[in-house]
Amino acid sequence: EAGVVQSPRYKIIEKKQPVAFWCNPISGHNTLYWYLQNLGQGPELLIRYENEEAVDDSQLPKDRFSAERLKGVDSTLKIQPAELGDSAVYLCASSSGDYNEQFFGPGTRLTVL
Amino acid sequence: DAKTTQPTSMDCAEGRAANLPCNHSTISGNEYVYWYRQIHSQGPQYIIHGLKNNETNEMASLIITEDRKSSTLILPHATLRDTAVYYCIVRVTSSGTYKYIFGTGTRLKVLA
Repeated sequence: EAGVVQSPRYKIIEKKQPVAFWCNPISGHNTLYWYLQNLGQGPELLIRYENEEAVDDSQLPKDRFSAERLKGVDSTLKIQPAELGDSAVYLCASSSGDYNEQFFGPGTRLTVL
Repeated sequence: DAKTTQPTSMDCAEGRAANLPCNHSTISGNEYVYWYRQIHSQGPQYIIHGLKNNETNEMASLIITEDRKSSTLILPHATLRDTAVYYCIVRVTSSGTYKYIFGTGTRLKVLA
């Protein structure tokens, strides 16, 4: 069974440019998470989806960040415009239930120049 | 929010038990403790979780104190592949929703 797939794995952009990350969760997992991980820190939740509904987006900087999961399967996280401080690893995870383990993808490493 | 405190780093000899402590003194009665680990350049990997009772699976054991203010993850026979950052996480429930709050983790180095 394939794990959580993320693309691209690496992205380098100049500040003020837009960028998008894609995530395909494990088949059948209705819960999808996007996390931000800065160097030397633990992951921080950006948004959590239950099927196509964003049930927790309290930590998502909505002035520049947006996310969607239109059909309740794969998801896209967008930043527009990117700032230097957005350089980090963006992790996607999925799970099949509230208390079930999260399966993480390998992440997308974003560098903003 | 309940938060966790872990040592920044630990060393363990290969083949010995690795005991990783975690303090979560503000944990509430219905908040679970989860452990994940992250090997360099990979996403975190689930290890184990518990509420009140001690738990064991094929990877590790989780010992939770009776007052639930701290816990210990035990890797019974550490190998070089166990070198990773280990995160102790509290699953916080608030206003009908939940959130996993990661700390900075413990960097475990298993020595040959």
